[in-house]
Amino acid sequence: DGGITQSPKYLFRKEGQNVTLSCEQNLNHDAMYWYRQDPGQGLRLIYYSQIVNDFQKGDIAEGYSVSREKKESFPLTVTSAQKNPTAFYLCASSPPVSHQGAAYSNQPQHFGDGTRLSIL
Amino acid sequence: AQTVTQSQPEMSVQEAETVTLSCTYDTSESDYYLFWYKQPPSRQMILVIRQEAYKQQNATENRFSVNFQKAAKSFSLKISDSQLGDAAMYFCAYRGRYNYGGSQGNLIFGKGTKLSVKP
Repeated sequence: DGGITQSPKYLFRKEGQNVTLSCEQNLNHDAMYWYRQDPGQGLRLIYYSQIVNDFQKGDIAEGYSVSREKKESFPLTVTSAQKNPTAFYLCASSPPVSHQGAAYSNQPQHFGDGTRLSIL
Repeated sequence: AQTVTQSQPEMSVQEAETVTLSCTYDTSESDYYLFWYKQPPSRQMILVIRQEAYKQQNATENRFSVNFQKAAKSFSLKISDSQLGDAAMYFCAYRGRYNYGGSQGNLIFGKGTKLSVKP
């Protein structure tokens, strides 16, 4: 079955350490997203990528970095510059978003099961 | 910029009863999509229902239906015959149909409503 796999399920970070969260999808989706979820805050967009080798900052990109070298993979690195990294992180993907001038699809985003990141 | 507001942080319903979760949004766009997602304790996000703004008819998926009021910018979710498995966080989300205002087609989420179901 197609889906999105996030790993690890739980991750611990030491002070000053960078950590990388994995997100892999086999849905053949062009677009991928990273969200951060805090209690009472809903989902906030960190980074998104609509095509391989291209990505854009979301609303809260500071302290995070991403890469999109392959269509299936969109890893997120939480750097030491992110002072409050404790949160639940969700990865999502969706079919091609749009070509210039065309309408965006009504297709929903599909989500992984998330990674819980905590500070040691 | 578009915003989505869910004014009910928590709701409770008796099993087999009906409950309505509210969602309002603010946008200057005329064409867009609206979604309701469910997040059970497992934390997985599951699509419940979607609505295209250009469609007059309210979307329905089994026990889930929406009341879409475009002029009022309201998009409420009605759950009929509530079941214990409906207990979850519910998120309302908006996506513009075109890239007006630079939204890039990204989803904009409300802060969620936690639904409890009493046996």
